[in-house]
Amino acid sequence: GEDVEQSLFLSVREGDSSVINCTYTDSSSTYLYWYKQEPGAGLQLLTYIFSNMDMKQDQRLTVLLNKKDKHLSLRIADTQTGDSAIYFCAERSSGGSYIPTFGRGTSLIVHP
Amino acid sequence: DTGVSQDPRHKITKRGQNVTFRCDPISEHNRLYWYRQTLGQGPEFLTYFQNEAQLEKSRLLSDRFSAERPKGSFSTLEIQRTEQGDSAMYLCASSTRTSGRANEQFFGPGTRLTVL
Repeated sequence: GEDVEQSLFLSVREGDSSVINCTYTDSSSTYLYWYKQEPGAGLQLLTYIFSNMDMKQDQRLTVLLNKKDKHLSLRIADTQTGDSAIYFCAERSSGGSYIPTFGRGTSLIVHP
Repeated sequence: DTGVSQDPRHKITKRGQNVTFRCDPISEHNRLYWYRQTLGQGPEFLTYFQNEAQLEKSRLLSDRFSAERPKGSFSTLEIQRTEQGDSAMYLCASSTRTSGRANEQFFGPGTRLTVL
């Protein structure tokens, strides 16, 4: 079955880069997503990458995909205290019911 | 505010009672999803509508769970005879074909259910 794994916690100093890692098992994964969830709020899509891409950059965010190893990472440059949140990795296959499978989330703590 | 809204935001109930949650999607979105999220976990898919048709319901947790979207706009999720294990955050999301091939889902703030 599908499985998405993430480390549970990451602590960084303000201004440093954060790297959040994710591994998945479904070799037919076509779309890979990063969502952000702030306390008491729903999930917000930050970025996504197609499986035929290696990298995608969007302002302070860089997504790297190693399809061979089924490894996805999210790098946040110049991390700010406002980036403190839970970050979820998710994957889905093309077509079908458009339902992503989510990881358990990585809690990012940014301290001054 | 034109985002996804959910009502109520919090619900406390006693074991054995029935509860109903409402989700109002973004107005032009034809797809609507329900998820459950427990502490320390990612969202777990429950069911999905395209317009008023419920296209996937096999992942509803038990026959105590049901969902409707009678006019293809708002949706309700009902849990009958609640159990303490039903305590969780219930999330609704919506999307549309113009979300692109990536099918970006827009999430509501969730309804937090506590069963005593």
